[in-house]
Amino acid sequence: KQEVTQIPAALSVPEGENLVLNCSFTDSAIYNLQWFRQDPGKGLTSLLLIQSSQREQTSGRLNASLDKSSGRSTLYIAASQPGDSATYLCAVVGFNTNAGKSTFGDGTTLTVKP
Amino acid sequence: DTGVSQDPRHKITKRGQNVTFRCDPISEHNRLYWYRQTLGQGPEFLTYFQNEAQLEKSRLLSDRFSAERPKGSFSTLEIQRTEQGDSAMYLCASSGVGGNEQFFGPGTRLTVL
Repeated sequence: KQEVTQIPAALSVPEGENLVLNCSFTDSAIYNLQWFRQDPGKGLTSLLLIQSSQREQTSGRLNASLDKSSGRSTLYIAASQPGDSATYLCAVVGFNTNAGKSTFGDGTTLTVKP
Repeated sequence: DTGVSQDPRHKITKRGQNVTFRCDPISEHNRLYWYRQTLGQGPEFLTYFQNEAQLEKSRLLSDRFSAERPKGSFSTLEIQRTEQGDSAMYLCASSGVGGNEQFFGPGTRLTVL
């Protein structure tokens, strides 16, 4: 059974700092990995999708990497802003599921202080 | 707005009542998913449709839960005889053919008193 872990559960940084969020998964046979942002009481917003054949994806100040062999992904946020404050979730889709359903971590709650 | 929509956004009900939620996916997406999320946790998979066929159900989905997707368009999730433990955010997502990037709706917050 796939398990996804995100450490730390919470992170507080001053504005302008670069930061890295971590995601680890137990079964390396994945189809893809997706990073999401969730604001309090809201749905999930897709940030980046990395296919299993890719090593990284970039969008603006965000860069996500994937190392399947070690079962890890990182989300790098450059020059953090107070508006980046949210919970960041990673989710993996395994090869062993034909449904494409995602297994989620419990997220890292980021606070960026002005 | 061409995103995933859910209705209602909030539902408060008394224990033992039945509730029904609706999800409208992105129009060209053939896959539709339901997840449940409790405070401080990541979403947990409930069920999945490809077009109108319900292909997988989690064991989390007890007999009190039923989902439909008539004609492969919108979907409904019904909870019968609600219990306080059903209180959660119910999230719907959709994805298109050939890709598994999932797009989520705003969710329905259920509170069972």
